Amino acid sequence: DQQVKQNSPSLSVQEGRISILNCDYTNSMFDYFLWYKKYPAEGPTFLISISSIKDKNEDGRFTVFLNKSAKHLSLHIVPSQPGDSAVYFCAANPLGRGGADGLTFGKGTHLIIQP
Amino acid sequence: DVKVTQSSRYLVKRTGEKVFLECVQDMDHENMFWYRQDPGLGLRLIYFSYDVKMKEKGDIPEGYSVSREKKERFSLILESASTNQTSMYLCASSTAGTSGTDTQYFGPGTRLTVL
Repeated sequence: DQQVKQNSPSLSVQEGRISILNCDYTNSMFDYFLWYKKYPAEGPTFLISISSIKDKNEDGRFTVFLNKSAKHLSLHIVPSQPGDSAVYFCAANPLGRGGADGLTFGKGTHLIIQP
Repeated sequence: DVKVTQSSRYLVKRTGEKVFLECVQDMDHENMFWYRQDPGLGLRLIYFSYDVKMKEKGDIPEGYSVSREKKERFSLILESASTNQTSMYLCASSTAGTSGTDTQYFGPGTRLTVL
């Protein structure tokens, strides 16, 4: 049973526009959420995170929104740039586990920024 | 900067061989993790360790074992490699926080092909 779902395997966005990547989760014990970006043949790199006590976290062009009641989060990239073309993974961590457990990842969304 | 290194970027082995994948981190992190990434399946946790000589099974431990003799080094062992273990293997590390908000940092990955 998939606990973190990214229902769009790919997304194509024009350069300069907003990219919105979505993620849903089913486990109500999750309380910390992360987005990772991955280029081919490289390891994932941390992008941005959000705790369940917040509904928004912003870092430059990247903003993550969390709707806890809907068990939904989204990553907004504004404006989208060619270097943003990558696979984006949503990940979650359960409450109070101290970070010692592994993250639960979604299957990823391949974002393609078109010139 | 956190640095997680993996011994090989690409590896080709034969069915039945014993395979060792090595991971080293230089940030004195307590927690270390092994994931595999497969197309359409995202990242799945194989094993993790929260201390030297400690190990915990992740979601897909079958066919794998691990070793953590030193804090900075975490090894993944395929006792008898099989073709369904052809995958990208990713090592990660994180600090031992108590809030569950610790970011995991990933190595570049090892692309293993089992013939």
